[in-house]
Amino acid sequence: EADIYQTPRYLVIGTGKKITLECSQTMGHDKMYWYQQDPGMELHLIHYSYGVNSTEKGDLSSESTVSRIRTEHFPLTLESARPSHTSQYLCASSDSSTTDTQYFGPGTRLTVL
Amino acid sequence: AQSVAQPEDQVNVAEGNPLTVKCTYSVSGNPYLFWYVQYPNRGLQFLLKYITGDNLVKGSYGFEAEFNKSQTSFHLKKPSALVSDSALYFCAVRPYTGGFKTIFGAGTRLFVKA
Repeated sequence: EADIYQTPRYLVIGTGKKITLECSQTMGHDKMYWYQQDPGMELHLIHYSYGVNSTEKGDLSSESTVSRIRTEHFPLTLESARPSHTSQYLCASSDSSTTDTQYFGPGTRLTVL
Repeated sequence: AQSVAQPEDQVNVAEGNPLTVKCTYSVSGNPYLFWYVQYPNRGLQFLLKYITGDNLVKGSYGFEAEFNKSQTSFHLKKPSALVSDSALYFCAVRPYTGGFKTIFGAGTRLFVKA
């Protein structure tokens, strides 16, 4: 079982609120990722990081921001949530020195009213 | 452009019958190939991978996948399907160039009927 954690698991908030989705991994992986996934649909990469102080935007345009100050921690922040942000957010990590197999957290299901 | 295709949105199979979930890719070089599974209301789990060597790789829960270089395919297979195999399956390719970013297919939903 992979050691990657996401909090909260479920979040319901009002429009305009600032939120931070937490993701932590204890495997020492250098790479971390955030994906957005509507239920049962394809994955969309929104942010990734190759290591500390390295972050890149993914393929899907997102109004969120990320930071990577510590290897194990990769939080995602939405400054002003909107109903269009309602989705599931999956965090993952991988070790680029091996085969880059990605290990996923349980996800955060976000609903913006 | 590098891409991964899962040509079937959904695969239906009866319990006990063999199943195949298809995946083809278009990337340069010799990529790493993966299958991931997502059970209802759960995160994605790694299922199996091909790096090099034997074209038939075995993974968790009795699944296996066959790498075919000439057809650039990596189909997922299982000799005898179980109802509990019903899930969403993603094929993924990690190119050897272009930033080493893994590309995921759109996913195939597998339904196994009792």
